[in-house]
Amino acid sequence: QKEVEQNSGPLSVPEGAIASLNCTYSDRGSQSFFWYRQYSGKSPELIMFIYSNGDKEDGRFTAQLNKASQYVSLLIRDSQPSDSATYLCAVNPPNDYKLSFGAGTTVTVRA
Amino acid sequence: EAQVTQNPRYLITVTGKKLTVTCSQNMNHEYMSWYRQDPGLGLRQIYYSMNVEVTDKGDVPEGYKVSRKEKRNFPLILESPSPNQTSLYFCASSYGSSGGYEQYFGPGTRLTVT
Repeated sequence: QKEVEQNSGPLSVPEGAIASLNCTYSDRGSQSFFWYRQYSGKSPELIMFIYSNGDKEDGRFTAQLNKASQYVSLLIRDSQPSDSATYLCAVNPPNDYKLSFGAGTTVTVRA
Repeated sequence: EAQVTQNPRYLITVTGKKLTVTCSQNMNHEYMSWYRQDPGLGLRQIYYSMNVEVTDKGDVPEGYKVSRKEKRNFPLILESPSPNQTSLYFCASSYGSSGGYEQYFGPGTRLTVT
């Protein structure tokens, strides 16, 4: 089983809709969870991090963490064409210095 | 400007010819890391360093070497490149000493080994 798995996509949503991205992880006890956005041909950039169970909101982005289910999600509200990118989920396993990434979900927002 | 720089940005080489990709950060970050990105596989960690002279293997270290002699630099060395090392490589740094903090990525190095 891969350490971090994301819904494979691609995900196509109309402008103004909610895009929902999912990620599961295998190492129970993981403490730090990240969502990175990567535009085509560019390097990843952090858009959200979450450490505690529940929801964390930042503008149009909401990260949701459920440690019991080993599940972290990202919601993009009022999706804009500029949100079209690949979204990478990353998890820092317990007692480990490394960072494990999922394969990414590509989102396309249709105008 | 706070940044992570990588050189070269593009490199085409032949099998077996040793090469080094440089990485430098100007943010006084403790943690530095190398990743490779391949279609369908996402980012996979090659090596990371928690501090000067302290490095450890990531998920795909075979065929790579690193060193951390200075805090700001973390070069990636391919002693005998092979075609399966053709990939997009990213260097990243973080102010924390583990992978549990925001990482800042360099612009990437696209390597082709023929």
